Amino acid sequence: QQQVKQSPQSLIVQKGGISIINCAYENTAFDYFPWYQQFPGKGPALLIAIRPDVSEKKEGRFTISFNKSAKQFSLHIMDSQPGDSATYFCAASTGNQFYFGTGTSLTVIP
Amino acid sequence: EAGVVQSPRYKIIEKKQPVAFWCNPISGHNTLYWYLQNLGQGPELLIRYENEEAVDDSQLPKDRFSAERLKGVDSTLKIQPAELGDSAVYLCASSRTSGSFYNEQFFGPGTRLTVL
Repeated sequence: QQQVKQSPQSLIVQKGGISIINCAYENTAFDYFPWYQQFPGKGPALLIAIRPDVSEKKEGRFTISFNKSAKQFSLHIMDSQPGDSATYFCAASTGNQFYFGTGTSLTVIP
Repeated sequence: EAGVVQSPRYKIIEKKQPVAFWCNPISGHNTLYWYLQNLGQGPELLIRYENEEAVDDSQLPKDRFSAERLKGVDSTLKIQPAELGDSAVYLCASSRTSGSFYNEQFFGPGTRLTVL
C-alpha cells in the first residue's frame, strides 16, 4: 500500500515557468513533510520541509503548500531553471518512519 | 559537517555471490536507515536503527539480507547470496532525534549494485 501518492510521474516546463508537483497521504499521524531533490548518481537531498501546523512555507524559489483537511501537499518551483532538472520526491513521516512518493522527473527546457 | 559516507559507490557481482555495503552516518546522528531504490522509484526502507538497535526491519528479506550497526555508529548491509533482482541502488541515511533537527534525514550517495 502506497502511503504517499505523488503526481505527475514526469513534468516538462519551459525556463521561467512554474513547476507544480502534488502529493497526497492518508495517515493523519504524519507530522513532517519533506521534499527531496535527486540528481542522477546522487542520493536524495533535502530541499524544503513543512510541518502540518502551517499552510505554506517558502524558501527562495521553492514553496510548499499544505492542505491538512484534504491531506495533500504540493511543491511549487517558481521561475524554473534548467539546473532544476532532477527527480523530486515527496515524503511523509511520523517519528523516524519515512514514506516516500514514487518521484517526479522534472525537465526544464531552456 | 561531513555528510553520510557510503562505500563502495559501485559494485558488480555474479549472482549467488555475497556483497557488503558500508555506511558512516553524520556524526551525532543516532538514527540510521538503509533504503533500497529501484530505477524510477522512491526509496523503500529496508531497516532502521536507533543507536545499535534495529527498531524496524520488517521489510528486510532476512533469508538473504543482514545488517549490523556495531557501537551505534557505522553500519554494514550484506546480501548473501545475491540474486538478479537485487540490482538497485542501496541508500544509507541518518538523522538526529533531538533538538531542533528532529527527524531531518540526510542521505548518502548510494551504492549502485549490479548483479549479473
